[in-house]
Amino acid sequence: AQRVTQPEKLLSVFKGAPVELKCNYSYSGSPELFWYVQYSRQRLQLLLRHISRESIKGFTADLNKGETSFHLKKPFAQEEDSAMYYCAPSTGANSKLTFGKGITLSVRP
Amino acid sequence: GAVVSQHPSWVICKSGTSVKIECRSLDFQATTMFWYRQFPKQSLMLMATSNEGSKATYEQGVEKDKFLINHASLTLSTLTVTSAHPEDSSFYICSARDPDSYNEQFFGPGTRLTVL
Repeated sequence: AQRVTQPEKLLSVFKGAPVELKCNYSYSGSPELFWYVQYSRQRLQLLLRHISRESIKGFTADLNKGETSFHLKKPFAQEEDSAMYYCAPSTGANSKLTFGKGITLSVRP
Repeated sequence: GAVVSQHPSWVICKSGTSVKIECRSLDFQATTMFWYRQFPKQSLMLMATSNEGSKATYEQGVEKDKFLINHASLTLSTLTVTSAHPEDSSFYICSARDPDSYNEQFFGPGTRLTVL
């Protein structure tokens, strides 16, 4: 069965600490993988996608096909990073997204 | 980036009535739009894929006669919740895929539906 797993619901760190938000997937074929972010009272927005290999707001995510993982990392968390983060593989002709359960990142001062 | 709007942002209705929610892509043409449902403190659940000029594709377990989707133009998709019941109360979110932005999906702000 195809699924995406975000094993943790909440991650709370102090400002300046490293952050790793985990995502594992189980999909046939080669899905495209995304991280979406939702800040408080804002709409969902794309953070990054694996094919672009960019660093956005200091975040990076490397696709590990062997471990079927796409963990999101940032070396030094900032308070403004506090938000809900969703991992989402994209599959099919319409590139539909399947969202993980999401993780709340809380960065304390 | 591209902008997607939804209207209304919130609606309260009586049980048994129908409610229509609009999703518009404001500055791009979207042949494909998506409708999601989100329960409090939970993730987004894809309900259906809406393709302009053709019938929507519903996800397993989503009643197509209950949630009517129309995508009559390249900038507008509508979701009609028919004969709404309290259990239909939820946050409904649409997204539109922009073919000129590497098919990135842009999300609307969502519509809060409360059925009394």
